[in-house]
Amino acid sequence: GESVGLHLPTLSVQEGDNSIINCAYSNSASDYFIWYKQESGKGPQFIIDIRSNMDKRQGQRVTVLLNKTVKHLSLQIAATQPGDSAVYFCAENVNAGGTSYGKLTFGQGTILTVHP
Amino acid sequence: DTGVSQDPRHKITKRGQNVTFRCDPISEHNRLYWYRQTLGQGPEFLTYFQNEAQLEKSRLLSDRFSAERPKGSFSTLEIQRTEQGDSAMYLCASSLVGGSYNSPLHFGNGTRLTVT
Repeated sequence: GESVGLHLPTLSVQEGDNSIINCAYSNSASDYFIWYKQESGKGPQFIIDIRSNMDKRQGQRVTVLLNKTVKHLSLQIAATQPGDSAVYFCAENVNAGGTSYGKLTFGQGTILTVHP
Repeated sequence: DTGVSQDPRHKITKRGQNVTFRCDPISEHNRLYWYRQTLGQGPEFLTYFQNEAQLEKSRLLSDRFSAERPKGSFSTLEIQRTEQGDSAMYLCASSLVGGSYNSPLHFGNGTRLTVT
């Protein structure tokens, strides 16, 4: 039968530390990227997004970096708090400027655990 | 709460039964999306609507699945003759698309379907 269980990458940090969550995306034609936080039993919660014509975007306590050369995306969380503990997903969108906007392809996810 | 609302939160059904889920998007959003998420995986795109028109369906959406958005507001997703493999979290999201800005997708908390 199918194996059930989480085999996601994990990141464990102390409260107050900075966290960096990495994501390798697959499609060089992707032109829009987005990060979501998902807590147990809830839907994905929008964190921050970035278009391919940018390489960095900052929000409140979060920064997304995009390296198109190596197809890599990262999410930096400053001064991580226990409430940041969740699964974090990156997602990509091809032809986001057209009718395909919102047809996201999600990565596997990373489990972030913040210890008080 | 003006977020995306999904009903029911949980549904347990026997194999072979039909089920229907409802999604109420954020009121000013013109696009509505359905995604499916299995344990330990990121969400997978199923279909989306622009107002009442269903513009795209994933090959994941078998003939047993049908989605509607009759008046361009709420949407329903029906699964006929459910199978155990249909057990998953069904997520709805909405966004505002058009003009010079597309809003990020905002997800609801999903309907968890268990087929016994």
